[in-house]
Amino acid sequence: AQKITQTQPGMFVQEKEAVTLDCTYDTSDPSYGLFWYKQPSSGEMIFLIYQGSYDQQNATEGRYSLNFQKARKSANLVISASQLGDSAMYFCAMREMMNSGYSTLTFGKGTMLLVSP
Amino acid sequence: EAGVTQSPTHLIKTRGQQATLRCSPISGHTSVYWYQQALGLGLQFLLWYDEGEERNRGNFPPRFSGRQFPNYSSELNVNALELEDSALYLCASSLILAGITEQFFGPGTRLTVL
Repeated sequence: AQKITQTQPGMFVQEKEAVTLDCTYDTSDPSYGLFWYKQPSSGEMIFLIYQGSYDQQNATEGRYSLNFQKARKSANLVISASQLGDSAMYFCAMREMMNSGYSTLTFGKGTMLLVSP
Repeated sequence: EAGVTQSPTHLIKTRGQQATLRCSPISGHTSVYWYQQALGLGLQFLLWYDEGEERNRGNFPPRFSGRQFPNYSSELNVNALELEDSALYLCASSLILAGITEQFFGPGTRLTVL
């Protein structure tokens, strides 16, 4: 079973509108972290936001917020007031805290976001 | 503060040759991770090094290998190159502290196998 599922291969949004990118995850570990990365066409992965499994509040970083619903195992990324520069591939990732130590990041397949003027 | 650096930016090889990719982590980071991103696909975990030791390995054949040096920089070696090895290879670094920390990525090396 996939650990990270991103069901939207592509999303279109108009400039200045908000957009939600979906991410669901699967883990049996009580301690884990969820990450969102942005990958522009240049290829570099840019860290956007992090949510810990024990965090009580949803993470926010500027225009990015993470809608964390633990019971549903979802960690959707919300981008408010989209900008043309937001056009990129977005990856959701999870890192689990296993008995043997930290695991590595597991990535979803990504969602391509296109922002139009 | 300098970020993660990778070299070379682009690498072109032919089938059967060997490729060596290099990564320098952010100063103070002890962990280095390697990922493969084939065209149109997500990131596939390759290798994780921490404090000079290989901590974990992804589902890749043994011709993918690497090492981490005392200064925490790392090399990824791919032997007997195959056409399907053509991909963007991303290196990331992190500092393992109490709690889960993010990985910081380099710009990648784009490997083309002809």
